Amino acid sequence: GESVGLHLPTLSVQEGDNSIINCAYSNSASDYFIWYKQESGKGPQFIIDIRSNMDKRQGQRVTVLLNKTVKHLSLQIAATQPGDSAVYFCAENRAAGYSTLTFGKGTMLLVSP
Amino acid sequence: KAGVTQTPRYLIKTRGQQVTLSCSPISGHRSVSWYQQTPGQGLQFLFEYFSETQRNKGNFPGRFSGRQFSNSRSEMNVSTLELGDSALYLCASSLGQGIEPQHFGDGTRLSIL
Repeated sequence: GESVGLHLPTLSVQEGDNSIINCAYSNSASDYFIWYKQESGKGPQFIIDIRSNMDKRQGQRVTVLLNKTVKHLSLQIAATQPGDSAVYFCAENRAAGYSTLTFGKGTMLLVSP
Repeated sequence: KAGVTQTPRYLIKTRGQQVTLSCSPISGHRSVSWYQQTPGQGLQFLFEYFSETQRNKGNFPGRFSGRQFSNSRSEMNVSTLELGDSALYLCASSLGQGIEPQHFGDGTRLSIL
């Protein structure tokens, strides 16, 4: 039979709100983490990254927090805009020295004007 | 700087056929990784090529293969296509050091009839 599609968690916010997207990762040996944004019909677009020796990193309107104790990542988007509507993925690099990413299931962010 | 280019954007094949997908990385990038994206399984790593050598491989059957040329361009081949191979195939390039972001193309949408 037909496989059931992933039910993506969805976060709905109003324009101008701050958004927080969470991600749990599985491998305590992962040393590099990335957030990607994927719009319909396009490939994942790099947003921000963080290494395991940091717990916070800021970009333009975005902040990534890393909690290695509980293996948790979050992406904070300030003053969310309709153009931020997309699916957001966290990814971890589990293979030191290799370019091998393991992706989370994704979160759909919907921003209402 | 030109981004990652994947061709073709869309393909329709029938069961049992084979297909070759192409990826041109960002200039200067030596690593090319391939991923399969489906609604049921999300984004899954297929393999990575670095300097014309397969450096890492995901958990996919041997029907999935690839290669990389001396100019870093890469091709991916799927033989004896099955209905379940219908997916978006994404290519990503990076310098290949493991702790830097991979940059994705917009993918090839493969549909198997």
